[in-house]
Amino acid sequence: GNSVTQMEGPVTLSEEAFLTINCTYTATGYPSLFWYVQYPGEGLQLLLKATKADDKGSNKGFEATYRKETTSFHLEKGSVQVSDSAVYFCALREKTSYDKVIFGPGTSLSVIP
Amino acid sequence: EPEVTQTPSHQVTQMGQEVILRCVPISNHLYFYWYRQILGQKVEFLVSFYNNEISEKSEIFDDQFSVERPDGSNFTLKIRSTKLEDSAMYFCASSEGLATYEQYFGPGTRLTVT
Repeated sequence: GNSVTQMEGPVTLSEEAFLTINCTYTATGYPSLFWYVQYPGEGLQLLLKATKADDKGSNKGFEATYRKETTSFHLEKGSVQVSDSAVYFCALREKTSYDKVIFGPGTSLSVIP
Repeated sequence: EPEVTQTPSHQVTQMGQEVILRCVPISNHLYFYWYRQILGQKVEFLVSFYNNEISEKSEIFDDQFSVERPDGSNFTLKIRSTKLEDSAMYFCASSEGLATYEQYFGPGTRLTVT
C-alpha cells in the first residue's frame, strides 16, 4: 500500500545551519505531496505542497521538489532559526478514493542558538 | 483566514465512558476527516465523510466509533465506550475538494482516558 518514509530524528542543528529532511514515498498513482509542521503543543499546519512531478513547493524559506524518478520530496532550508524547532511530517494524498492523507513518522528538529 | 476549530482542547474521561469530540470545519468545505496521533507516534487516518455519509474508514475505526454532521456546521466524533488505548490527540480536517486540494487541520483535542 501507499506509505511515507522519513529520516529518523531527532535532528539538532545550530542556528543558520542548512537543513535537509529526507522523505521518500510509495504510491500506486501520482499523489500530491505535502510537508506539515507541528510546533510544540500545537496542531498540524501545512508548510508546503506539490501536486505533480517537478513541482517545487516553498514557504517561509523551506523548499521541497516533487521527484517522481526517485519518489522523493526532501525538505530543505538554507538557514534555520530557533523558531523552526518543531516536528516535520512528510505526507501524501492519494488521488483516489476519498483522499485520505498518509503521514510519515515525523522528524523532530531542534535548533539551538 | 478561515480555520478549522475543535472543542474541547483537552478532554479527560474514565474508561468505559462515552465522549464526543466536536469540530467546526471551514464553511465551504465538503470533505471532512478525523485523524488521531497517539503520543510520540505518527498521525493516523480514522475516517472520511462526504455527503452525509462515511466514504472511507481505517481498521482503527471500529464499532466503538461514529461520526455525524448534526447540522450545517458541526462535525463530531463519538467514542462509545472509551478504552485506555484511545488516549491520543484527535485532529479534525476539512477540504474543499479532492485530488490537489489540501486538507486543513484543526488544533486537535487531547483525549486522556484514565
